[in-house]
Amino acid sequence: QVQLVQSGAEVKKPGASVKVSCKTSGYTFIRYAITWVRQAPGQGLEWMGWISAYNGQTNYAQKFQGRVTMTTDTSTSTVYMELRSLRSDDTAVYYCARVEDPSYFDYWGQGTLVTVSS
Amino acid sequence: DIQMTQSPSSLSASVGDRVTITCQASQDISNYLNWYQQKPGKAPKLLIYDASNLETGVPSRFSGSGSGTDFTFTISSLQPEDIATYYCQQYDNLPTWTFGQGTKVEIK
Repeated sequence: QVQLVQSGAEVKKPGASVKVSCKTSGYTFIRYAITWVRQAPGQGLEWMGWISAYNGQTNYAQKFQGRVTMTTDTSTSTVYMELRSLRSDDTAVYYCARVEDPSYFDYWGQGTLVTVSS
Repeated sequence: DIQMTQSPSSLSASVGDRVTITCQASQDISNYLNWYQQKPGKAPKLLIYDASNLETGVPSRFSGSGSGTDFTFTISSLQPEDIATYYCQQYDNLPTWTFGQGTKVEIK
């Protein structure tokens, strides 16, 4: 069965970076893109970006450009999302999700809470 | 950028009621719209894709309709397990997506 398993919760100081992993299984990794969505406490869903597991092509939401990097490791079927220059308003649960070609998110990770606090 | 306006932001209804949520796009997005359900503390779950297609395994009391700028999501007979927040999502310019603000559904 398809599974996306994310790394554990993180606590970071303002200005630091965080790297969240999303290990996939149960399907052919390179056949599907992965996307990242975050949710601040009590708030709605915010799309962050997309990465093709086939060729590593990325597309980031304008809000995060310059601060986010998404990468893949095909040897372990894992996707990574790094967010830099963290601020308190980056405190959120970060989700990875598989993109069913071409347009919807059919399987999701369990979420990773990132807390940014001094 | 395309903006999605979802309404209402919350609603309270009785078990068995028909529940309707609307989502309006700031420009024509054809049928490029999905609907998700999110229960507290859980990841979102896809319910409807391409405006009106029911995802496999999703109960038939859920449905979606619309095209262009105006879309509707309906629960034909609200059940206690439907308590959740529902989000629309547009994908007119892949690979970019935008979510609506969400609608919290509660039992009266």
